[in-house]
Amino acid sequence: DTGVSQNPRHKITKRGQNVTFRCDPISEHNRLYWYRQTLGQGPEFLTYFQNEAQLEKSRLLSDRFSAERPKGSFSTLEIQRTEQGDSAMYLCASSFSDSSYNEQFFGPGTRLTVL
Amino acid sequence: AQKVTQAQTEISVVEKEDVTLDCVYETRDTTYYLFWYKQPPSGELVFLIRRNSFDEQNEISGRYSWNFQKSTSSFNFTITASQVVDSAVYFCALSEYDMRFGAGTRLTVKP
Repeated sequence: DTGVSQNPRHKITKRGQNVTFRCDPISEHNRLYWYRQTLGQGPEFLTYFQNEAQLEKSRLLSDRFSAERPKGSFSTLEIQRTEQGDSAMYLCASSFSDSSYNEQFFGPGTRLTVL
Repeated sequence: AQKVTQAQTEISVVEKEDVTLDCVYETRDTTYYLFWYKQPPSGELVFLIRRNSFDEQNEISGRYSWNFQKSTSSFNFTITASQVVDSAVYFCALSEYDMRFGAGTRLTVKP
């Protein structure tokens, strides 16, 4: 399978716990993006990486959220001290581009439920 | 500010009807890209089309067609002879480095 993969697909956790999601982009893609999608809404941009550098973070990304892409390949998104409002689908996308405008390929998402 | 508006929350049609999904965008940039994505019940976003802001030619791909009008900041999507398999949520998006999505239009095609 050469698409974007995300693990786990579903995560149920209790409020206050930490969770970590993983995204494996398409192998030749140098850009990786994280989005959050709540029910009935479009995806909202959280952050993106070019290679291992995190170039942009949305104001939606509170200090409880941290993302890494240590070797410019896979990425992790960690949420600390989860809150019920963090319940959402977390989407990862990747692209290959030397410019700002590019097509993003999306993974299947990780659905987080915070009880 | 960049913004995408999809005013139609839900549309329901009967199979074989034509349907148009509206998208209006706002941006101050002169160079930008517009996208349409499909999100079927399985949840994975499927790329449909990308349009460069300098290319206002309409595009047709099978039963799908897109009408880009810069003068009205619109990028509408038409499905001709709709089929049940077209049932999904459709998102219009505007891209700088971060993609801004509209709220989506849920299309239901009934047999």
